[in-house]
Amino acid sequence: AQSVTQLGSHVSVSEGALVLLRCNYSSSVPPYLFWYVQYPNQGLQLLLKYTSAATLVKGINGFEAEFKKSETSFHLTKPSAHMSDAAEYFCAVSANDMRFGAGTRLTVKP
Amino acid sequence: NAGVTQTPKFRILKIGQSMTLQCTQDMNHNYMYWYRQDPGMGLKLIYYSVGAGITDKGEVPNGYNVSRSTTEDFPLRLELAAPSQTSVYFCASSFGLAGGTDTQYFGPGTRLTVL
Repeated sequence: AQSVTQLGSHVSVSEGALVLLRCNYSSSVPPYLFWYVQYPNQGLQLLLKYTSAATLVKGINGFEAEFKKSETSFHLTKPSAHMSDAAEYFCAVSANDMRFGAGTRLTVKP
Repeated sequence: NAGVTQTPKFRILKIGQSMTLQCTQDMNHNYMYWYRQDPGMGLKLIYYSVGAGITDKGEVPNGYNVSRSTTEDFPLRLELAAPSQTSVYFCASSFGLAGGTDTQYFGPGTRLTVL
């Protein structure tokens, strides 16, 4: 079965700094990969997804992620953090079913 | 469109009590899912449904039951609540089955505490 590992349960950045949230996956078949965001007391919302069309995927709110098969990674980045980016972020791998990572809580300091 | 709606938002149960968590979607999705979210554990799939009348177990089905009589509704039943079922429960739906490229749309969640 496929699995996802998110490195760092908590990441803290200053407003305007680079955001980097790490995600590594394992899958026996070519996977599709997703990043979801969860704001406090809400459900998950799709940020972006990799569907094999392009390895660099752009999502909402200025986020992007790059699929690197050789590194089995799908890290999420944003050049400049905003206070409104504070949330929990989940990486998910979709192959035979969908598996979610444990999540990374992003804190943005003023 | 309201998307995916869940009721109630919060509930406290005593050990051994039963309850049903309601989930409705208005996107005409065939596929629906129930997840539980525990701190530091991500989301775990409890049950899913591929259409009215068809359900199947996910990763953590013990202690739960589901039914799917209509395309729109996918209730989750807890028969004998236990403290281990304290969690946040999310319902989701999608056009295609998980394992492909389809996005899952999530409800706002139900926070359940069993004391």
